[in-house]
Amino acid sequence: EVQLVESGGGLVQPGGTLRLSCAASGFTFRNYWMSWVRQAPGKGLEWVANINQDGSKRYYVDSVVGRFTISRDKAKNSLYLQMSNLRVEDTAVYFCVRVAGFLDHWGQGILVTVSS
Amino acid sequence: SYELTQPPSVSVSPGQTARIACSGDAVAKQYVHWYQQKSGQAPILVIYKDIERPSGIPERFSGSTSGTTVTLTISGVQAEDEADYYCQSADSSGTYWVFGGGTKLTVL
Repeated sequence: EVQLVESGGGLVQPGGTLRLSCAASGFTFRNYWMSWVRQAPGKGLEWVANINQDGSKRYYVDSVVGRFTISRDKAKNSLYLQMSNLRVEDTAVYFCVRVAGFLDHWGQGILVTVSS
Repeated sequence: SYELTQPPSVSVSPGQTARIACSGDAVAKQYVHWYQQKSGQAPILVIYKDIERPSGIPERFSGSTSGTTVTLTISGVQAEDEADYYCQSADSSGTYWVFGGGTKLTVL
């Protein structure tokens, strides 16, 4: 069974940093692109970033370019999202998602709150 | 920037057919996928590559495409289908992904 478990969320002040982690199991992690998708409170889904199998290709939504970095560790079967210079508008539930040309398996999500 | 447009809400009675449209310029060039999100839960994939249904998704869920519009159809709607539905696709290069604004399906 595919499992994706996010961790590392919480409350952070504007301008602060946070690193999200996603532990993957139940599939061959190194064979798949992976993605982060977020959802602000009461709002719709927003794609944040994708990374390919070996980490050599990374793509981001314009609003996080230069502030967020997606990465992965094949030895630990883990996906990461390093977030810096956080803004109030980054407040959201962040989902770790497996990519198979589409988003076929989702984690339960982790809440990130940016507030002073 | 690339956008996908969905109606904010659709309402149907149990047993009726619900249709949710998703439109955008690149719809004709890239596949569209559909996700169902029930209150307080993570989304799940219900249709991929315009018309394909993942295993475990009921047959009453189907997808279709015509020009710059794709449609999610739920035949014989049940109370458990009440949820938000999102279409998702990519720009013409396939690099940058986007979601539609979401459609809240209400079962009367």
